[in-house]
Amino acid sequence: AQTVTQSQPEMSVQEAETVTLSCTYDTSESDYYLFWYKQPPSRQMILVIRQEAYKQQNATENRFSVNFQKAAKSFSLKISDSQLGDAAMYFCAYRSSKLGSGNTGKLIFGQGTTLQVKP
Amino acid sequence: GAVVSQHPSRVICKSGTSVKIECRSLDFQATTMFWYRQFPKQSLMLMATSNEGSKATYEQGVEKDKFLINHASLTLSTLTVTSAHPEDSSFYICSASLSWETQYFGPGTRLLVL
Repeated sequence: AQTVTQSQPEMSVQEAETVTLSCTYDTSESDYYLFWYKQPPSRQMILVIRQEAYKQQNATENRFSVNFQKAAKSFSLKISDSQLGDAAMYFCAYRSSKLGSGNTGKLIFGQGTTLQVKP
Repeated sequence: GAVVSQHPSRVICKSGTSVKIECRSLDFQATTMFWYRQFPKQSLMLMATSNEGSKATYEQGVEKDKFLINHASLTLSTLTVTSAHPEDSSFYICSASLSWETQYFGPGTRLLVL
């Protein structure tokens, strides 16, 4: 079974600085999707970034980028020029790419990392 | 695009009553919807996967008779908490798949059972 681990329960960063959130996962599959979701105090889950495992190029969305190391099963999120609005709980998630064989397309979440942004 | 709504946003009920929570995909058709439960400062726990026109697939340990899920159309799934008790108080979140790759989440429903 696949697992996702976020080993940093809490992180803090100074406004305008850069912070990296860690995520590791375990799977025997070769093709899958990885996600970072943000959950602000409103508790609305927001998709931050998505990475397909078959793509070697790291995904980037404006100030957010990932460092995807497939062999190491690592998927870290880098937030550049941190803003006060980035304060939230961040979840790393895994989703199989294979339909069928009991795969329902469900997301497997890590424990989450609470990010504090200091002004 | 890809907006998912939930109703109600919060509900307070008496112990022993049933509560229905609706999840709608507003601008796309979702063949699959998911229901999660989240306790404060914890991760999302998948309760069940709902497919349009078929029975929901429940995760291990989730009581099927307590958490009734119906996915009557491509844009609507409902979660009914039957005979609710205080321990059912939680934050319930639904999500819908626009494509195999991505799920979009509703804003959540806060349930308080007195």
